[in-house]
Amino acid sequence: GAVVSQHPSRVICKSGTSVKIECRSLDFQATTMFWYRQFPKQSLMLMATSNEGSKATYEQGVEKDKFLINHASLTLSTLTVTSAHPEDSSFYICSARLPGGGTGELFFGEGSRLTVL
Amino acid sequence: GDSVTQMEGPVTLSEEAFLTINCTYTATGYPSLFWYVQYPGEGLQLLLKATKADDKGSNKGFEATYRKETTSFHLEKGSVQVSDSAVYFCALSGTASKLTFGTGTRLQVTL
Repeated sequence: GAVVSQHPSRVICKSGTSVKIECRSLDFQATTMFWYRQFPKQSLMLMATSNEGSKATYEQGVEKDKFLINHASLTLSTLTVTSAHPEDSSFYICSARLPGGGTGELFFGEGSRLTVL
Repeated sequence: GDSVTQMEGPVTLSEEAFLTINCTYTATGYPSLFWYVQYPGEGLQLLLKATKADDKGSNKGFEATYRKETTSFHLEKGSVQVSDSAVYFCALSGTASKLTFGTGTRLQVTL
């Protein structure tokens, strides 16, 4: 149980276009999902907390107009990278927590590799 | 605020060698502690966890003991395999209900 899936796993786009990444909790309802960005030296940066039915909470320094997050249902959150540029190329990973929080662990999706040309 | 410090990598070991990856933390209260593993090109998988002091988490031959007195949660394995090559992240879940990660330690196991 507690499976989180992301799509697409890889996407290549041209500079200036927008890209949407989906994150789904397959076997549980997730009122909260988290979006991370992973940089080449492997460190994980929390970008935002996605809350079902309300606005996402962004971490300091993350442009909310650049990285649009929508959490329209209890099993789906989307991250849209708008007007993507090469510096947005990265590995984006979503995660979710069990209802009630469980023992605090997060369950992660497979990640989405974005390459902006 | 909460923080996690991991040893710098990469760690390179021969197969069947003993592994230790150090992790120490700073947190208020009584956090839960986790080790996650990331294989190349994949997301993170929970490897093991401990929710209170002196708990030992274990999975796939890996172990870590929650030491409150030394605020540590070191990861150990008695005999590593090539298939253990991955990046290992130590993390804690504190009062803010966010997961705080260490910077990750890359493990390379060679034949």
